[in-house]
Amino acid sequence: EAGVTQFPSHSVIEKGQTVTLRCDPISGHDNLYWYRRVMGKEIKFLLHFVKESKQDESGMPNNRFLAERTGGTYSTLKVQPAELEDSGVYFCASSRPGQVNEKLFFGSGTQLSVL
Amino acid sequence: AQTVTQSQPEMSVQEAETVTLSCTYDTSENNYYLFWYKQPPSRQMILVIRQEAYKQQNATENRFSVNFQKAAKSFSLKISDSQLGDTAMYFCAFMNYGGSQGNLIFGKGTKLSVKP
Repeated sequence: EAGVTQFPSHSVIEKGQTVTLRCDPISGHDNLYWYRRVMGKEIKFLLHFVKESKQDESGMPNNRFLAERTGGTYSTLKVQPAELEDSGVYFCASSRPGQVNEKLFFGSGTQLSVL
Repeated sequence: AQTVTQSQPEMSVQEAETVTLSCTYDTSENNYYLFWYKQPPSRQMILVIRQEAYKQQNATENRFSVNFQKAAKSFSLKISDSQLGDTAMYFCAFMNYGGSQGNLIFGKGTKLSVKP
């Protein structure tokens, strides 16, 4: 069974540019989550999809971030325009439908560097 | 606001020995979940162990066990018979029982090095 895949694994862009991160969850996992870890800080929850619907987007930092999951399969997280403070590792995770403490499966993350 | 604190940024242990990683949290809730996640150098984070706050019995998974002290709001992870493959970042995490699925609150992590 394929795990959660994210790409690119690394992205280096200049301030003001746009970057789109992609996450492919495990097949059959209705739940998809995005997290971010800024250097030296905690991993922060960004948002949660159930299929194509945003269940909880309370962690999205501002309107420069747009997450989509059209068709309820893969998800994209677009940052436009990128700022220096957006640098960090962006993780995606997925889980089966079920109880709230259902096990999460994480991707390897995308290292984003904004110069 | 709930917080999770891991007071040990880095730790090291000799292979085959036992190590304990500390985690404390702050919440006013009575029901919640606690987790330990491991992120090896390859960067894919995996669940090590989880604990429901209403369960008094400490969770165990093979060589991994927790010491859950609800009154003290402490949730330490003990790794017995440490192996080289245990080298990783370890994150403690908290989730409200009635909260949004996946809305975890993480600590800053502890970098564990297992030495041969």
